Amino acid sequence: GAGVSQSPSNKVTEKGKDVELRCDPISGHTALYWYRQSLGQGLEFLIYFQGNSAPDKSGLPSDRFSAERTGGSVSTLTIQRTQQEDSAVYLCASSSQGANSFPQYFGPGTRLTVT
Amino acid sequence: KQEVTQIPAALSVPEGENLVLNCSFTDSAIYNLQWFRQDPGKGLTSLLLIQSSQREQTSGRLNASLDKSSGRSTLYIAASQPGDSATYLCAVNGGATNKLIFGTGTLLAVQP
Repeated sequence: GAGVSQSPSNKVTEKGKDVELRCDPISGHTALYWYRQSLGQGLEFLIYFQGNSAPDKSGLPSDRFSAERTGGSVSTLTIQRTQQEDSAVYLCASSSQGANSFPQYFGPGTRLTVT
Repeated sequence: KQEVTQIPAALSVPEGENLVLNCSFTDSAIYNLQWFRQDPGKGLTSLLLIQSSQREQTSGRLNASLDKSSGRSTLYIAASQPGDSATYLCAVNGGATNKLIFGTGTLLAVQP
């Protein structure tokens, strides 16, 4: 079946502009995660959605970052007033439940470059 | 704070050799540990997931072990092939929200 998909695959933006990154999880997966992979920081957790529960936003690096998940499916990560240090690959993952027994499946990522 | 370390950072082996990748974590209170591979410019592919109550998991030529009390996991790759060349990442899940804490990865090159 279809895996996790993300769009766009690449995004180049100017410093100060806002960007939106999209994630389509595997159909039926109730848990969705955003991670960021950068050269200096490795792979780090950003935010987690599970069903209708309040999201865990503990990994968001600043208030310029926000995310939504509409209808329990598609998610959008928004970065406002982008900075050069936001340049990274943004990865989305989903799992069949939020419980700890289930593996997370990752999408191909969106490579964000802030010039 | 959970910290995950992978050794070695890079490894080059000739085709056919068996090899072991190491992962260590500082907090043994984990729910599970997952091994991934990442090809250049691509996302992560899940390889194996070991629950905290398990000692090992096997899939084809891959075998992952977990010693939770000592904070260690190993990924054993048998009869390595050039197609195994990738970065291998381990990640531990230690919280109620299932967020993964990743190691820095091991870059594996299998020479034909």
